[in-house]
Amino acid sequence: AQSVTQLDSQVPVFEEAPVELRCNYSSSVSVYLFWYVQYPNQGLQLLLKYLSGSTLVKGINGFEAEFNKSQTSFHLRKPSVHISDTAEYFCAVSGLGGSYIPTFGRGTSLIVHP
Amino acid sequence: GAGVSQSPSNKVTEKGKDVELRCDPISGHTALYWYRQSLGQGLEFLIYFQGNSAPDKSGLPSDRFSAERTGGSVSTLTIQRTQQEDSAVYLCASSLVAGKEETQYFGPGTRLLVL
Repeated sequence: AQSVTQLDSQVPVFEEAPVELRCNYSSSVSVYLFWYVQYPNQGLQLLLKYLSGSTLVKGINGFEAEFNKSQTSFHLRKPSVHISDTAEYFCAVSGLGGSYIPTFGRGTSLIVHP
Repeated sequence: GAGVSQSPSNKVTEKGKDVELRCDPISGHTALYWYRQSLGQGLEFLIYFQGNSAPDKSGLPSDRFSAERTGGSVSTLTIQRTQQEDSAVYLCASSLVAGKEETQYFGPGTRLLVL
């Protein structure tokens, strides 16, 4: 079955530390990859997306992600987090099974401590 | 410009009652999606509208759930005879067009609690 796996349900870090949120997907065909962020009591908003070209994608708020086709991964990174980065982060993949509808991971709660 | 709006923001209802949730997409967006977000779960796709095409209802969990989109704009998700397991946040999203590469723009959601 085609799926999106976010390996960590919760990631606690201290402010100014680096962070990596992991995302793996299962697909044998080309896909498009997204990271969305959800702040408390808000809807999701796009952080970044990979469509083609350079495998390193830069997004808003200093986040970046790297597409690794051989490992079917799209991990999200930030070199130095802020308290304001505390939120839920969702990896999404579209094109699975040819569908327009993206499949979302279960989300990773990033908790930044002072 | 205005983003996606949803109403009500919160809804408490009794088991067995019907509820209607409303979504106003971004003006000019032809694709509209409904998702359900339960605690600790990802987003569960419910239904998708694209222009005047027949909606993709493949994600609706039961025949108690239905949705319509009037005039290619506002959409209403209806849940009949609500059950406690329907309690969740219902998210609406829109995109300019339908496409695998398209960014979805989400509303703030409606938090539904069925007592």
